[in-house]
Amino acid sequence: GESVGLHLPTLSVQEGDNSIINCAYSNSASDYFIWYKQESGKGPQFIIDIRSNMDKRQGQRVTVLLNKTVKHLSLQIAATQPGDSAVYFCAEKTRGNEKLTFGTGTRLTIIP
Amino acid sequence: NAGVTQTPKFQVLKTGQSMTLQCAQDMNHEYMSWYRQDPGMGLRLIHYSVGAGITDQGEVPNGYNVSRSTTEDFPLRLLSAAPSQTSVYFCASSYSRASDTSYNEQFFGPGTRLTVL
Repeated sequence: GESVGLHLPTLSVQEGDNSIINCAYSNSASDYFIWYKQESGKGPQFIIDIRSNMDKRQGQRVTVLLNKTVKHLSLQIAATQPGDSAVYFCAEKTRGNEKLTFGTGTRLTIIP
Repeated sequence: NAGVTQTPKFQVLKTGQSMTLQCAQDMNHEYMSWYRQDPGMGLRLIHYSVGAGITDQGEVPNGYNVSRSTTEDFPLRLLSAAPSQTSVYFCASSYSRASDTSYNEQFFGPGTRLTVL
């Protein structure tokens, strides 16, 4: 069945270091993968998306990598800042289906 | 623009009570949806709408009703609240249903924290 899972529930990173958040998926029919950031007490905020026919996409300080061979998705955050502390969710969308399937989330803590 | 707004922010209900969670957006988005978020879990889709007058069920629709009489508003109704509906509820909207060529970012509201006793 469809599932979007995360390898690590928590991640602590020193300020200034790079962080990598991983996500596994099982639905080969997914056409988009999306990363959301959720700060405490707030709704999820879109970070970046990647289409299934791409391997890599870069944004401001963030890079998403997609490995379709092993059905793995990662979010890299460069030069982490205190404001990066949040829960990060990966989500996938299937072509022709409006539903977004979310993973359980990874809590990223930036250590000063 | 105010974006996506939700009211109330907090609500406590007794089992069997009914209530409506309000959601409004001022971005002229066609697509709107409701999610619930439980501790340790990701968001799960309850209902969604691709335009005024059109609604459909998501992953966990039981116990919830929706309607979409206008583009701006998408209320979620609990007809008879149950403790299992204790959760944080998020409303989201986007420009249109995602096509094969692009993903339309979903904008989320701040959430409603509901407790059913």
